[in-house]
Amino acid sequence: KAGVTQTPRYLIKTRGQQVTLSCSPISGHRSVSWYQQTPGQGLQFLFEYFSETQRNKGNFPGRFSGRQFSNSRSEMNVSTLELGDSALYLCASRLAETNTGELFFGEGSRLTVL
Amino acid sequence: AQSVTQLDSQVPVFEEAPVELRCNYSSSVSVYLFWYVQYPNQGLQLLLKYLSGSTLVKGINGFEAEFNKSQTSFHLRKPSVHISDTAEYFCAVRYSGNTPLVFGKGTRLSVIA
Repeated sequence: KAGVTQTPRYLIKTRGQQVTLSCSPISGHRSVSWYQQTPGQGLQFLFEYFSETQRNKGNFPGRFSGRQFSNSRSEMNVSTLELGDSALYLCASRLAETNTGELFFGEGSRLTVL
Repeated sequence: AQSVTQLDSQVPVFEEAPVELRCNYSSSVSVYLFWYVQYPNQGLQLLLKYLSGSTLVKGINGFEAEFNKSQTSFHLRKPSVHISDTAEYFCAVRYSGNTPLVFGKGTRLSVIA
């Protein structure tokens, strides 16, 4: 069974640009979460989607947005990039919107903002 | 606010020595607890989880953790580490209700030959 797939793995952008990251969850998983990982802040929750609906949202500005498609694939978008947005963005999926569901992570998309 | 504290940001240990990575969480209500490992340039991999039942949980690669409700702790242990255990380890908690998985800031384990 294929794992969580994230594309692209690496990208470089300049300040003010926007970026879209893609995530394909494990087959059959309907919930997708996004996290931002930085050396100083660790893993911070961005948002979670289930059945195309945002279920939870972290404490990030409105420049960060996401969506989920009917096939459970998800994208996140960051507009008007800032230097501080440089990070590893991790996508994770779980089977369903359950309390006990562990997350299965992709390898991440490493974004560098110059 | 819900939080997870990993008390040590870095832990150096000699090969074949035992190790304990400490984790405390902020609430004593029902929780679901996890330990993940991250190798360089990779995503996170689940080591073990506590959902209910026995407080001693065994995971992959010889790791185990003990859930202590009174001390709100979930420390990770391994009796004998290998060079290949060098990685970053994250403790995470999900509280009752459909809340996000909250992570600690991680502990970098360095195994010295």
